[in-house]
Amino acid sequence: QVQLQQWGAGLLKPSETLSLTCAVYGGSFSGYYWSWIRQPPGKGLEWIGEINHSGSTNYNPSLKSRVTISVDTSKNQFSLKLSSVTAADTAVYYCARMPYIVVVPAAQPDYYYYYGMDVWGQGTTVTVSS
Amino acid sequence: EIVLTQSPGTLSLSPGERATLSCRASQSVSSSYLAWYQQKPGQAPRLLIYGASSRATGIPDRFSGSGSGTDFTLTISRLEPEDFAVYYCQQYGSSPTTFGQGTKVEIK
Repeated sequence: QVQLQQWGAGLLKPSETLSLTCAVYGGSFSGYYWSWIRQPPGKGLEWIGEINHSGSTNYNPSLKSRVTISVDTSKNQFSLKLSSVTAADTAVYYCARMPYIVVVPAAQPDYYYYYGMDVWGQGTTVTVSS
Repeated sequence: EIVLTQSPGTLSLSPGERATLSCRASQSVSSSYLAWYQQKPGQAPRLLIYGASSRATGIPDRFSGSGSGTDFTLTISRLEPEDFAVYYCQQYGSSPTTFGQGTKVEIK
């Protein structure tokens, strides 16, 4: 049974850097995209970005200038850094896994098929306050 | 980016009733990469449906998804007490992946 265990500082001051780590237990690290998603209090879900086992990243343009997602395959962990935080970054932060496969159709280019985010971490509450 | 609009905002129903939740996209969702999640208070979201209509592992068959292009639907055929929660749709066919604002299914 795959589990994602996440941790990091829960209280930050404005302008500091948010740093969270998510560890993958009981499963492979390859064949998945690993995402960070956040949820402000009482609001909906916002995707922050993702990384795969080879380090290929995609970020939400709204946060791209402040976000870095990295991976440590030797530890089966991936991490989020969000710089220059403000009160607007106060949220519950989740890590999550999205499986994908490479489809090889006959006489057509290969393509990726993605599944939904099937495993989530427990969430970390991050509060930004002076 | 693709904007997802869910309706209604709140659905008030009784156990045993049928729930129909809508998710409309501002542009066509590539390859029907549309997922539905259930979230209960204090918990992480749980994947119900991916690829618009495929149930995730362990999801009861009272949950079903349908639709393509810009209009998608999640149907819960007979509400069980544990189904009262907030439901989100997500498109992951184009970057950035985006979520709808959620539909709350509450006990009438």
